[in-house]
Amino acid sequence: ETGVTQSPTHLIKTRGQQVTLRCSSQSGHNTVSWYQQALGQGPQFIFQYYREEENGRGNFPPRFSGLQFPNYSSELNVNALELDDSALYLCASSSLDADTQYFGPGTRLTVL
Amino acid sequence: AQSVSQHNHHVILSEAASLELGCNYSYGGTVNLFWYVQYPGQHLQLLLKYFSGDPLVKGIKGFEAEFIKSKFSFNLRKPSVQWSDTAEYFCAVNDRSNTGKLIFGQGTTLQVKP
Repeated sequence: ETGVTQSPTHLIKTRGQQVTLRCSSQSGHNTVSWYQQALGQGPQFIFQYYREEENGRGNFPPRFSGLQFPNYSSELNVNALELDDSALYLCASSSLDADTQYFGPGTRLTVL
Repeated sequence: AQSVSQHNHHVILSEAASLELGCNYSYGGTVNLFWYVQYPGQHLQLLLKYFSGDPLVKGIKGFEAEFIKSKFSFNLRKPSVQWSDTAEYFCAVNDRSNTGKLIFGQGTTLQVKP
């Protein structure tokens, strides 16, 4: 059984640029959630995708957007990057009827 | 607003010492409760979870947690820690009616000295 994978591992961007992060869900899971983890903090919920539609959103501005594909993989897009967007971005997958999320290794984004 | 509070930010213990990490949550509805662990260089892993039933739950690697509803607490315990338990520990909750959104505490860094 393949776990949750994310790419790239690390990314450096400059302020104002756009970035796309990718996530492949664990086999058998149809739901993907994204989290932002700033240094020294716990992860914060960005949004969740189910059946290619957004299924809940946290307190993040619209420049954070996402996609889910028919194979349940997902992308997180962030436009107009700001310095405060520097963080570890985590993807988690689950079945919609299950209560447990399984996390990927994360993508470390640095905005200069 | 929903929130999770972990009172210990950094804990240092010697091997064989007992561990208790505090977690309190603020939420008026019915919740599921989790402890996740992040070992150095590794991704977040589920340690244990509570959905219903016996409030004392056992997880992997000898960890256990007790849900005390009246205190809105879900403290993590281990009778005897090992050097390999050095990691960051996160308490998290979600609403049973909206399980997609996990709310995490700020984490506790545990350092176990050999």
